[in-house]
Amino acid sequence: DAMVIQNPRYQVTQFGKPVTLSCSQTLNHNVMYWYQQKSSQAPKLLFHYYDKDFNNEADTPDNFQSRRPNTSFCFLDIRSPGLGDAAMYLCATSLVVGDTQYFGPGTRLTVL
Amino acid sequence: EDQVTQSPEALRLQEGESSSLNCSYTVSGLRGLFWYRQDPGKGPEFLFTLYSAGEEKEKERLKATLTKKESFLHITAPKPEDSATYLCAVRPPQGGSEKLVFGKGTKLTVNP
Repeated sequence: DAMVIQNPRYQVTQFGKPVTLSCSQTLNHNVMYWYQQKSSQAPKLLFHYYDKDFNNEADTPDNFQSRRPNTSFCFLDIRSPGLGDAAMYLCATSLVVGDTQYFGPGTRLTVL
Repeated sequence: EDQVTQSPEALRLQEGESSSLNCSYTVSGLRGLFWYRQDPGKGPEFLFTLYSAGEEKEKERLKATLTKKESFLHITAPKPEDSATYLCAVRPPQGGSEKLVFGKGTKLTVNP
């Protein structure tokens, strides 16, 4: 089945230690998104890629960066995680921007 | 500012007790309204996309409807496995941001 895969499902890092989260998709969608979701809150869009075009949300901290080396993969890099960055990180894809988004299972990040 | 409001925040039902969840929005000219189901610790699972007032879609015990100002997710004879948080999101009109605007969700608990 076509799907969105995130690895790892759970990630523990130390305060200030860089961490990379991974997302891959078999849907062959053009757009890949990264969201941050904290407990009992709506998902918050960090950025998205349309093909190789990167679109950063205005309120996304500089601490968060992303790479999309090819259509299938997208990475979220957190350069210096703080305690406030502990959250669920969700990857989503859509065929085109604004179309239905399909989410992966998420990566739960814990910062010690 | 575009707003999406979901009500109630939480809903407890007995198994078999039908009810409806509400998603109201202030966006005019929206280009899509999306319903998702999210289980604890998992990514949102796509349920429905609605595009125009009067449109209805069904899947098993769920039926989504759309008017010009709100959408309803009707749950008929729910079962305990329907317990989850239900999120709605809207795609703003042409010329605005392409970012989906999410509601905060309704947490549904169905007791056996």
